[in-house]
Amino acid sequence: GAVVSQHPSRVICKSGTSVKIECRSLDFQATTMFWYRQFPKQSLMLMATSNEGSKATYEQGVEKDKFLINHASLTLSTLTVTSAHPEDSSFYICSARVGTSFGNEQFFGPGTRLTVL
Amino acid sequence: AQSVAQPEDQVNVAEGNPLTVKCTYSVSGNPYLFWYVQYPNRGLQFLLKYITGDNLVKGSYGFEAEFNKSQTSFHLKKPSALVSDSALYFCAVRGLNDMRFGAGTRLTVKP
Repeated sequence: GAVVSQHPSRVICKSGTSVKIECRSLDFQATTMFWYRQFPKQSLMLMATSNEGSKATYEQGVEKDKFLINHASLTLSTLTVTSAHPEDSSFYICSARVGTSFGNEQFFGPGTRLTVL
Repeated sequence: AQSVAQPEDQVNVAEGNPLTVKCTYSVSGNPYLFWYVQYPNRGLQFLLKYITGDNLVKGSYGFEAEFNKSQTSFHLKKPSALVSDSALYFCAVRGLNDMRFGAGTRLTVKP
């Protein structure tokens, strides 16, 4: 299957700093990329959807100024957590999809564990 | 809105026994249903999907799922569980633009 990578896999930062997480589709062009966050022992919650070259669409309750998403190319999307705080500590997972047809599979990255001290 | 529910937080089975992880769905229109598995500190791995066709879908690692329209269910099954199957399992449904996940079921297979 298609491969989605994330970098870094784990990051620890101080409160107030910004952290950038990269998501790449390695062997396909992703029309759409998704960012999820997952708290311990909980399900994945969709944060935002981004289409290449367009502004991201954020889910209700997700602060767009805090979680900056850029989808500048068909193989790369970035999530920047600005002015991170301990409550932003979570597991962030990106996902990529080719096209918009129903049934098109979403491929998931391995996730990034963010810890804010 | 499309949604799935996983009624069990935890499922425990003995190695070699059959396992079932339950999922029910609520959709408008035809459902597009998926099962994923997640190991600790890892992303999701695709197991199988139902789009159309046979109600019994076969997937990776010996897993299969049965689509039941009358019961709006899509339970994940495996005839003989392995200890290595212990993980977190998510049922998901394709919505208009994205994937919506169930709360997850933690499967523990004991030797």
